[in-house]
Amino acid sequence: TQLLEQSPQFLSIQEGENLTVYCNSSSVFSSLQWYRQEPGEGPVLLVTVVTGGEVKKLKRLTFQFGDARKDSSLHITAAQPGDTGLYLCAGAGNQGGKLIFGQGTELSVKP
Amino acid sequence: NAGVTQTPKFQVLKTGQSMTLQCAQDMNHEYMSWYRQDPGMGLRLIHYSVGAGITDQGEVPNGYNVSRSTTEDFPLRLLSAAPSQTSVYFCASSGWRSGNTIYFGEGSWLTVV
Repeated sequence: TQLLEQSPQFLSIQEGENLTVYCNSSSVFSSLQWYRQEPGEGPVLLVTVVTGGEVKKLKRLTFQFGDARKDSSLHITAAQPGDTGLYLCAGAGNQGGKLIFGQGTELSVKP
Repeated sequence: NAGVTQTPKFQVLKTGQSMTLQCAQDMNHEYMSWYRQDPGMGLRLIHYSVGAGITDQGEVPNGYNVSRSTTEDFPLRLLSAAPSQTSVYFCASSGWRSGNTIYFGEGSWLTVV
């Protein structure tokens, strides 16, 4: 069974601080996706990383896929209150439409 | 463009009752799936489908049935609801035409008492 361990589960920081969220697995994934979820809504895709070692940037968010395609990280620079939400990583195998999700990280950024 | 539409948004069931969560997508996606989301556990795959007439079990299939008679629809049936099925349910779809990006519905909040 493929598992994704996401950490930390909860993170409360002040505006302007930096943070990193980690997703780790013993399994290899064909791609890894990061989602953000607002209360009362479904997850919304932020980015997909496919190649080992790949780094993608989305404004203040930096996503990295591990060289072995078993782990990934999300780094937020100078967090803002608008970044508050649930962040989820999800790994995709070779079969389309199936994702294995991490437990999620509840981020709270206080002004 | 509606995307992925789930109904109902909220439902309260008594233990032992049955019900169907409806899911429809208008993007002609091949893949559809159902997840449940519980606190501290992320989203867990219940059932998925790679095309009309084809379904398979995910990580937590017990107590749920699915069918995929058309490309557009993928209903999830709870046969005999149990309190352990109290959760938020998300339907999702993806397809190669959309670069295999997975699109989620807005969720269905189910409480079993």
